[in-house]
Amino acid sequence: GNSVTQMEGPVTLSEEAFLTINCTYTATGYPSLFWYVQYPGEGLQLLLKATKADDKGSNKGFEATYRKETTSFHLEKGSVQVSDSAVYFCALRLGQAGTALIFGKGTTLSVSS
Amino acid sequence: GAGVSQSPSNKVTEKGKDVELRCDPISGHTALYWYRQSLGQGLEFLIYFQGNSAPDKSGLPSDRFSAERTGGSVSTLTIQRTQQEDSAVYLCASSPTSGSLTGELFFGEGSRLTVL
Repeated sequence: GNSVTQMEGPVTLSEEAFLTINCTYTATGYPSLFWYVQYPGEGLQLLLKATKADDKGSNKGFEATYRKETTSFHLEKGSVQVSDSAVYFCALRLGQAGTALIFGKGTTLSVSS
Repeated sequence: GAGVSQSPSNKVTEKGKDVELRCDPISGHTALYWYRQSLGQGLEFLIYFQGNSAPDKSGLPSDRFSAERTGGSVSTLTIQRTQQEDSAVYLCASSPTSGSLTGELFFGEGSRLTVL
């Protein structure tokens, strides 16, 4: 079946460290890929997306590249901040805009100063 | 308001009772989704409404769970005869469809259900 696998957390980093959160997927067909973020006390919000192979999504210093050959969409940031502390969810969607997303289990990131 | 609104924000109930959770999507959004967020389980898809089409109920965990969407807007998720394993945060999201290229879902802040 279709699924998303994320690295287990929590991930604990010092401010200005490099961040990678791994995400791999299994899907029939060619999904669109997303990263959502949930800050403490807030609802999930879209961080970035990519709709086809080799696309790079980017936002707020975060990047992820759609790698069809490795079925991956790893999230990276060169220098994390305390304000990046949150839960990050990788997700995929098959089909047209409006169909349901399939989410991974989430990875908690904690950044200390 | 401009965002997805959910109520109640917190609900504590006794095992065996029925509960109703409400979602008010962003005006004009034709698609509405319910997810369940449990500790260590991530986001579990429950049900999806798209316009006037029959809903996709493939994620509902048992026949104790049901949902409806009246007038293409407000949705209610009903859990009958609640069990302790139903304790979770229930998230609602909406999205526009035709004309939308992003496929972005807009989430509410969730309804936290605790079954004692």
